[in-house]
Amino acid sequence: AQTVTQSQPEMSVQEAETVTLSCTYDTSESDYYLFWYKQPPSRQMILVIRQEAYKQQNATENRFSVNFQKAAKSFSLKISDSQLGDAAMYFCAYRSATQGDDMRFGAGTRLTVKP
Amino acid sequence: DVKVTQSSRYLVKRTGEKVFLECVQDMDHENMFWYRQDPGLGLRLIYFSYDVKMKEKGDIPEGYSVSREKKERFSLILESASTNQTSMYLCASFPSGVFAYQQETQYFGPGTRLLVL
Repeated sequence: AQTVTQSQPEMSVQEAETVTLSCTYDTSESDYYLFWYKQPPSRQMILVIRQEAYKQQNATENRFSVNFQKAAKSFSLKISDSQLGDAAMYFCAYRSATQGDDMRFGAGTRLTVKP
Repeated sequence: DVKVTQSSRYLVKRTGEKVFLECVQDMDHENMFWYRQDPGLGLRLIYFSYDVKMKEKGDIPEGYSVSREKKERFSLILESASTNQTSMYLCASFPSGVFAYQQETQYFGPGTRLLVL
């Protein structure tokens, strides 16, 4: 079974600085999708960014970008120019492209942004 | 926009009570999921359903059951609530078919925080 590991339970960053959240995963599949979700305090979980495993180019969404290292099974999230609104729990998730529609989530990283 | 709603944001129940958590989505999605979220454990899949009246066990189905009588509604049932079921419960939906893989993401409800005393 696939597993997703987030080794940083908590991270903090100064406003306007850059922070990187780590995620590693274990799979024997070659075709899959990876996601970062954001869950603000008492608010709905929303998708931040996604990466298709067959694409070599790292995904970017405005201030959010990923460093996808397929051979190392690593999928880190970089947040540039951090804002107070970035404070949230961040979850890394994996979904197979061929075997079912369920997702595997990491334990989450709580990001604090200091003004 | 996809909208996934859950019947309660906060719920307090007593040990032994039967508890119903309701989830409704408005995008005609075939797949619906129930997760529980606990600190340090992330989201763990309880049950999912890929069609009306169809259900599959996830990683932690013990103590739970589900019902899907209509496509838009997926209910999670705690037959006899216990204190170790105190948690945040998240519902999600996801379409099937080719379009699903273009979408590639689940849509989540706001969550129900359940406290069992």
